[in-house]
Amino acid sequence: GQNIDQPTEMTATEGAIVQINCTYQTSGFNGLFWYQQHAGEAPTFLSYNVLDGLEEKGRFSSFLSRSKGYSYLLLKELQMKDSASYLCAVIIYGNNRLAFGKGNQVVVIP
Amino acid sequence: DTGVSQDPRHKITKRGQNVTFRCDPISEHNRLYWYRQTLGQGPEFLTYFQNEAQLEKSRLLSDRFSAERPKGSFSTLEIQRTEQGDSAMYLCASSYSAGAETQYFGPGTRLLVL
Repeated sequence: GQNIDQPTEMTATEGAIVQINCTYQTSGFNGLFWYQQHAGEAPTFLSYNVLDGLEEKGRFSSFLSRSKGYSYLLLKELQMKDSASYLCAVIIYGNNRLAFGKGNQVVVIP
Repeated sequence: DTGVSQDPRHKITKRGQNVTFRCDPISEHNRLYWYRQTLGQGPEFLTYFQNEAQLEKSRLLSDRFSAERPKGSFSTLEIQRTEQGDSAMYLCASSYSAGAETQYFGPGTRLLVL
C-alpha cells in the first residue's frame, strides 16, 4: 500500500507565501496530484507531477523529488479564498485509484 | 456539460434502510470512481469502472455496498442495511484514460445515518 504523510494545519497571513509538504512511500509510483478542498465541497484539481522538478501554474507551484518521496505545494500571494484543505494523492502503475493523504488545512488570516 | 454531478447532495436515513446515490460523469470520460471521505481524512477509494466494467473494488466495499454503471455513462452506488459507520461524504470522480488521467470530482453526497 501507500503511506502518505502531510502536516495537519497551518495559519498564514494574506499576501504571504506558504509551503505545504507531502511525503510518500510507495512502489510503482506513477505521479502525484494536489487537490484543493473547501469545507463541504469536492476536491478540485490543482497540479500533477510525475517527473522531478517544479511545475508552476499562476500563484501555485508544485515540486516533486521521486528519489526522496517528497513533494510540496507552494501558494504565493495568499488570498482569503485560499483557506482550504490541500490534499496530496499518489497514483501507481497498473492501478487507477488515488491514494490520498489526510490533507493540510490552511487558514489565511487578514 | 461542465463537470461531474451527483444526486442527492444530502441524505439522512435511519439505520437499516437502503440508500442509492447517482453520479453523472463528464460526458467524454470513460472511467468513473467512487470514494468515501470522513471528517478530517482524505478520500478513500471504493471502486472504479472503465466504461461499464467494474475493474477494481476496495476491501472497504463490504457486501452491503454495490455499484453499477450499466451503460457506461452514469453510475449508482447502493448501500443496503445502512449502519451509523456509513455516515460520510461519498464522492464520485471521472477521468479519461489517456495522458495524466486527472480525476475530476463531483460535489459529493453527504450521508448521515441516524
